[in-house]
Amino acid sequence: DAKTTQPPSMDCAEGRAANLPCNHSTISGNEYVYWYRQIHSQGPQYIIHGLKNNETNEMASLIITEDRKSSTLILPHATLRDTAVYYCIVGENQGGSEKLVFGKGTKLTVNP
Amino acid sequence: NAGVTQTPKFRILKIGQSMTLQCAQDMNHNYMYWYRQDPGMGLKLIYYSVGAGITDKGEVPNGYNVSRSTTEDFPLRLELAAPSQTSVYFCASIRPGFTDTQYFGPGTRLTVL
Repeated sequence: DAKTTQPPSMDCAEGRAANLPCNHSTISGNEYVYWYRQIHSQGPQYIIHGLKNNETNEMASLIITEDRKSSTLILPHATLRDTAVYYCIVGENQGGSEKLVFGKGTKLTVNP
Repeated sequence: NAGVTQTPKFRILKIGQSMTLQCAQDMNHNYMYWYRQDPGMGLKLIYYSVGAGITDKGEVPNGYNVSRSTTEDFPLRLELAAPSQTSVYFCASIRPGFTDTQYFGPGTRLTVL
């Protein structure tokens, strides 16, 4: 079973920041937080991942709480093309041997 | 690079038929994975491989078989198709030490009637 809890759906206005929460209260010390998204039944696409520090890349920012029991994915300026299902996943970074367990994710709808 | 490619894109099978879903990657990734995704659900791991000649079961392996004779290819075999295998199948790959994330193919949509 997935080790994360996400709201089933969220809405966001185009151009505004989208903040997607994720709870992972049972995360262990060597587990990372990964975010993927899936646009309309395409293959999932990697967004970002982190261990304990906040991370930022060209797509998004990841804010992890100090106790690591929750995190927030931030899309700073959401566009219509960001409408997708977003998956928050925790897993050990074992150099690829980790078996990612996908929950149902959050369906983000960006409205014009 | 073409990345991860999957064929066919769509397929309809009759109950009891067999087929092979093809997956190939040209990124020299040694780890490869097969997932299935049922409507409205997340992905579930079927089988994975950490290199040529090595495969292991994931969460839902029953009814499937895999082989990994080359680094590039990781076919998934359905021997006796059942309606419960109606799903979208995704292949993914990764090269530890070079990438931290899995690259996914576009998927194969399979219907068993």
